[in-house]
Amino acid sequence: EPEVTQTPSHQVTQMGQEVILRCVPISNHLYFYWYRQILGQKVEFLVSFYNNEISEKSEIFDDQFSVERPDGSNFTLKIRSTKLEDSAMYFCASRLGGNTEAFFGQGTRLTVV
Amino acid sequence: TQLLEQSPQFLSIQEGENLTVYCNSSSVFSSLQWYRQEPGEGPVLLVTVVTGGEVKKLKRLTFQFGDARKDSSLHITAAQTGDTGLYLCAGGVLTGANNLFFGTGTRLTVIP
Repeated sequence: EPEVTQTPSHQVTQMGQEVILRCVPISNHLYFYWYRQILGQKVEFLVSFYNNEISEKSEIFDDQFSVERPDGSNFTLKIRSTKLEDSAMYFCASRLGGNTEAFFGQGTRLTVV
Repeated sequence: TQLLEQSPQFLSIQEGENLTVYCNSSSVFSSLQWYRQEPGEGPVLLVTVVTGGEVKKLKRLTFQFGDARKDSSLHITAAQTGDTGLYLCAGGVLTGANNLFFGTGTRLTVIP
């Protein structure tokens, strides 16, 4: 069964460092998303990506964040200068479109120290 | 950002009891999805409802979409310990990239 894969599963980084979280969405899907979930809190929308550009972003997705689909299969989230409060589970999701199911990856646990 | 409030936030019940979880918003959604999330994993879809008033059953789980497509409920009959987990509703918006906005979550614990 096709699935969304995320790497790494856990990343520890020092405050101020850049991190890149990687995702491989399901191959025929057209819409891609990043969400984050701070421990014990709700799943928060960060950004959506369609047709090789950002479709919508939340207020969390500030200038420190960027996304890229560099090669038609990977979908990356970059945080330029990490802060302690960026520590969270980051989930990538993809969907074919419309009201179809969103498939989520297993997540990357980012710990900023 | 559309807000979806779930209630209750925490629920602890005995095995065999019935329960209902609510998901409410002031916004209208094109679809409403329910997910279940295990610790350390991503959300896994349980059901999608798209028509106002729609009811879907998945074994002991019954999902309903409100007539105005602003709210939804999840009812579990005869809860089992395997139902323990975090239940998330998510509203779909058919604009832009069809974003999903998640509710605040209900953490269910079923006690044997």
